[in-house]
Amino acid sequence: AQSVTQPDIHITVSEGASLELRCNYSYGATPYLFWYVQSPGQGLQLLLKYFSGDTLVQGIKGFEAEFKRSQSSFNLRKPSVHWSDAAEYFCAVESGGSYIPTFGRGTSLIVHP
Amino acid sequence: NAGVTQTPKFRILKIGQSMTLQCAQDMNHNYMYWYRQDPGMGLKLIYYSVGAGITDKGEVPNGYNVSRSTTEDFPLRLELAAPSQTSVYFCASSPQGNYGYTFGSGTRLTVV
Repeated sequence: AQSVTQPDIHITVSEGASLELRCNYSYGATPYLFWYVQSPGQGLQLLLKYFSGDTLVQGIKGFEAEFKRSQSSFNLRKPSVHWSDAAEYFCAVESGGSYIPTFGRGTSLIVHP
Repeated sequence: NAGVTQTPKFRILKIGQSMTLQCAQDMNHNYMYWYRQDPGMGLKLIYYSVGAGITDKGEVPNGYNVSRSTTEDFPLRLELAAPSQTSVYFCASSPQGNYGYTFGSGTRLTVV
Protein backbone atom coordinates (compact mmCIF):
# COMPACT_ATOMS: atom_id res chain seq x y z
CA ALA A 1 0.00 0.00 0.00
CA GLN A 2 1.17 3.50 -0.73
CA SER A 3 1.92 5.95 2.07
CA VAL A 4 3.22 9.47 2.43
CA THR A 5 5.18 11.05 5.26
CA GLN A 6 5.67 14.75 5.77
CA PRO A 7 8.11 14.79 8.71
CA ASP A 8 7.67 18.44 9.59
CA ILE A 9 4.37 19.58 11.08
CA HIS A 10 5.47 23.24 11.16
CA ILE A 11 8.23 25.12 9.36
CA THR A 12 9.13 28.72 10.14
CA VAL A 13 11.19 30.81 7.72
CA SER A 14 11.97 34.48 7.29
CA GLU A 15 10.68 36.31 4.27
CA GLY A 16 13.27 36.14 1.50
CA ALA A 17 14.85 32.96 2.83
CA SER A 18 14.89 29.70 0.90
CA LEU A 19 12.45 26.91 1.66
CA GLU A 20 12.47 23.13 1.48
CA LEU A 21 9.50 21.02 2.58
CA ARG A 22 10.13 17.32 2.90
CA CYS A 23 8.01 14.48 1.55
CA ASN A 24 8.81 10.78 1.66
CA TYR A 25 6.67 8.10 0.10
CA SER A 26 6.39 4.36 0.22
CA TYR A 27 5.44 2.62 -2.98
CA GLY A 28 7.06 -0.15 -4.99
CA ALA A 29 6.93 1.26 -8.51
CA THR A 30 7.36 4.78 -9.80
CA PRO A 31 4.52 6.78 -8.33
CA TYR A 32 2.63 9.83 -9.45
CA LEU A 33 3.56 12.63 -7.04
CA PHE A 34 1.83 15.90 -6.26
CA TRP A 35 2.20 18.97 -4.08
CA TYR A 36 -0.84 21.04 -3.08
CA VAL A 37 -1.12 24.30 -1.15
CA GLN A 38 -4.02 25.30 1.07
CA SER A 39 -4.43 28.91 2.13
CA PRO A 40 -6.53 29.56 5.25
CA GLY A 41 -10.21 28.96 4.65
CA GLN A 42 -9.61 27.73 1.11
CA GLY A 43 -9.51 24.47 -0.75
CA LEU A 44 -6.32 22.85 -1.94
CA GLN A 45 -4.62 24.10 -5.07
CA LEU A 46 -2.31 21.96 -7.19
CA LEU A 47 1.24 23.39 -7.20
CA LEU A 48 3.00 20.78 -9.33
CA LYS A 49 3.08 17.12 -10.25
CA TYR A 50 5.57 14.49 -11.32
CA PHE A 51 4.68 11.61 -13.63
CA SER A 52 7.90 10.67 -15.41
CA GLY A 53 10.89 12.15 -17.19
CA ASP A 54 12.87 15.06 -15.78
CA THR A 55 13.11 14.60 -12.04
CA LEU A 56 13.06 18.35 -11.38
CA VAL A 57 9.60 19.75 -11.98
CA GLN A 58 8.52 23.36 -12.01
CA GLY A 59 5.22 24.50 -10.64
CA ILE A 60 3.19 27.60 -10.08
CA LYS A 61 4.07 30.46 -7.71
CA GLY A 62 7.82 29.86 -8.21
CA PHE A 63 7.88 26.42 -6.57
CA GLU A 64 9.83 23.40 -7.77
CA ALA A 65 10.21 19.82 -6.56
CA GLU A 66 12.76 17.11 -7.14
CA PHE A 67 11.98 13.42 -7.37
CA LYS A 68 14.74 11.25 -5.90
CA ARG A 69 13.99 7.58 -6.39
CA SER A 70 16.93 6.41 -4.28
CA GLN A 71 15.61 8.36 -1.29
CA SER A 72 11.89 7.87 -2.02
CA SER A 73 11.53 11.61 -1.68
CA PHE A 74 9.78 14.45 -3.47
CA ASN A 75 10.82 17.62 -1.65
CA LEU A 76 9.31 21.00 -2.45
CA ARG A 77 11.59 24.02 -2.76
CA LYS A 78 11.42 27.74 -3.30
CA PRO A 79 14.50 29.99 -3.47
CA SER A 80 12.93 33.05 -1.85
CA VAL A 81 9.79 32.88 0.26
CA HIS A 82 7.16 35.63 0.26
CA TRP A 83 4.79 36.39 3.12
CA SER A 84 1.91 35.24 0.92
CA ASP A 85 3.40 31.72 0.84
CA ALA A 86 2.27 31.16 4.43
CA ALA A 87 -0.13 28.22 4.11
CA GLU A 88 -0.53 24.49 4.60
CA TYR A 89 1.31 22.27 2.11
CA PHE A 90 0.29 18.72 1.29
CA CYS A 91 2.24 16.06 -0.54
CA ALA A 92 0.28 13.26 -2.25
CA VAL A 93 1.22 10.00 -3.94
CA GLU A 94 -0.79 7.97 -6.41
CA SER A 95 0.03 4.61 -7.94
CA GLY A 96 -0.22 4.07 -11.64
CA GLY A 97 -3.06 1.62 -11.32
CA SER A 98 -5.14 3.75 -8.97
CA TYR A 99 -6.79 7.14 -9.21
CA ILE A 100 -7.01 7.61 -5.47
CA PRO A 101 -4.09 9.55 -4.02
CA THR A 102 -2.82 9.21 -0.49
CA PHE A 103 -2.22 12.57 1.16
CA GLY A 104 0.35 13.41 3.78
CA ARG A 105 -0.80 15.13 6.96
CA GLY A 106 0.53 18.46 5.79
CA THR A 107 3.23 20.96 6.75
CA SER A 108 2.25 24.38 8.02
CA LEU A 109 4.53 27.13 6.71
CA ILE A 110 4.93 30.24 8.84
CA VAL A 111 6.69 33.23 7.29
CA HIS A 112 8.25 35.88 9.52
CA PRO A 113 8.69 39.40 8.15
CA ASN B 1 -14.19 29.82 -14.79
CA ALA B 2 -16.24 28.48 -11.90
CA GLY B 3 -14.31 25.21 -11.46
CA VAL B 4 -15.69 23.24 -8.50
CA THR B 5 -18.49 24.93 -6.58
CA GLN B 6 -19.55 23.81 -3.13
CA THR B 7 -22.60 24.95 -1.21
CA PRO B 8 -23.21 25.87 1.52
CA LYS B 9 -19.95 27.30 2.86
CA PHE B 10 -21.00 26.95 6.49
CA ARG B 11 -23.70 24.98 8.25
CA ILE B 12 -24.66 24.11 11.80
CA LEU B 13 -26.72 20.95 12.27
CA LYS B 14 -28.35 19.47 15.32
CA ILE B 15 -27.67 15.85 16.20
CA GLY B 16 -29.97 13.59 14.20
CA GLN B 17 -30.69 16.09 11.44
CA SER B 18 -29.91 15.39 7.80
CA MET B 19 -28.52 17.55 5.04
CA THR B 20 -27.02 17.45 1.57
CA LEU B 21 -23.74 19.08 0.67
CA GLN B 22 -23.79 20.19 -2.92
CA CYS B 23 -20.88 19.94 -5.35
CA ALA B 24 -20.90 20.97 -8.99
CA GLN B 25 -18.13 21.23 -11.58
CA ASP B 26 -18.22 22.79 -15.02
CA MET B 27 -15.02 21.28 -16.44
CA ASN B 28 -16.61 18.07 -17.77
CA HIS B 29 -14.45 16.03 -15.41
CA ASN B 30 -15.34 12.37 -15.12
CA TYR B 31 -13.80 11.79 -11.70
CA MET B 32 -15.23 13.39 -8.57
CA TYR B 33 -14.37 12.93 -4.89
CA TRP B 34 -15.53 13.86 -1.42
CA TYR B 35 -12.99 14.34 1.38
CA ARG B 36 -13.22 15.44 4.96
CA GLN B 37 -10.43 17.34 6.65
CA ASP B 38 -9.89 17.31 10.37
CA PRO B 39 -7.13 19.29 12.12
CA GLY B 40 -3.75 17.56 11.89
CA MET B 41 -5.25 14.54 10.14
CA GLY B 42 -4.90 15.44 6.50
CA LEU B 43 -7.61 14.43 4.07
CA LYS B 44 -9.78 11.34 4.37
CA LEU B 45 -11.64 10.05 1.31
CA ILE B 46 -15.37 9.52 1.90
CA TYR B 47 -16.72 8.56 -1.53
CA TYR B 48 -15.66 8.89 -5.13
CA SER B 49 -17.11 8.52 -8.61
CA VAL B 50 -15.48 7.77 -11.95
CA GLY B 51 -18.50 8.77 -14.00
CA ALA B 52 -22.22 9.33 -13.97
CA GLY B 53 -24.01 6.43 -12.34
CA ILE B 54 -20.84 5.01 -10.76
CA THR B 55 -19.88 5.57 -7.13
CA ASP B 56 -17.65 3.77 -4.65
CA LYS B 57 -16.69 3.97 -1.01
CA GLY B 58 -13.53 5.53 0.24
CA GLU B 59 -11.78 5.25 3.56
CA VAL B 60 -14.51 6.72 5.81
CA PRO B 61 -17.97 6.21 4.18
CA ASN B 62 -20.05 5.41 7.26
CA GLY B 63 -22.81 7.93 7.88
CA TYR B 64 -22.70 9.32 4.33
CA ASN B 65 -24.26 8.60 0.98
CA VAL B 66 -23.68 9.91 -2.52
CA SER B 67 -25.24 9.82 -5.96
CA ARG B 68 -23.95 10.80 -9.40
CA SER B 69 -26.82 11.24 -11.81
CA THR B 70 -24.97 13.73 -14.03
CA THR B 71 -21.33 14.42 -14.89
CA GLU B 72 -21.56 17.85 -13.28
CA ASP B 73 -23.05 17.11 -9.86
CA PHE B 74 -21.92 14.94 -6.97
CA PRO B 75 -23.95 15.64 -3.81
CA LEU B 76 -23.01 14.20 -0.41
CA ARG B 77 -25.84 13.24 1.90
CA LEU B 78 -25.49 13.11 5.69
CA GLU B 79 -28.17 11.09 7.44
CA LEU B 80 -28.66 11.36 11.20
CA ALA B 81 -25.84 13.82 11.83
CA ALA B 82 -23.46 13.03 14.69
CA PRO B 83 -20.85 15.24 16.43
CA SER B 84 -18.13 13.05 14.86
CA GLN B 85 -19.17 14.47 11.49
CA THR B 86 -18.09 17.96 12.50
CA SER B 87 -15.43 18.69 9.90
CA VAL B 88 -14.54 20.60 6.78
CA TYR B 89 -15.73 18.84 3.65
CA PHE B 90 -14.04 19.21 0.28
CA CYS B 91 -15.24 18.16 -3.12
CA ALA B 92 -12.67 17.64 -5.87
CA SER B 93 -12.68 16.65 -9.51
CA SER B 94 -10.23 15.37 -12.08
CA PRO B 95 -10.47 14.67 -15.82
CA GLN B 96 -8.85 11.27 -15.35
CA GLY B 97 -6.76 9.29 -12.90
CA ASN B 98 -3.22 10.32 -12.03
CA TYR B 99 -3.86 13.86 -13.22
CA GLY B 100 -4.23 15.95 -10.06
CA TYR B 101 -7.35 17.45 -8.54
CA THR B 102 -9.28 20.69 -8.69
CA PHE B 103 -10.77 21.35 -5.27
CA GLY B 104 -13.77 23.34 -4.18
CA SER B 105 -13.46 25.88 -1.38
CA GLY B 106 -15.07 23.62 1.20
CA THR B 107 -18.08 23.37 3.50
CA ARG B 108 -17.50 23.82 7.22
CA LEU B 109 -20.02 21.70 9.09
CA THR B 110 -20.64 21.75 12.82
CA VAL B 111 -22.91 19.20 14.48
CA VAL B 112 -24.17 20.21 17.93
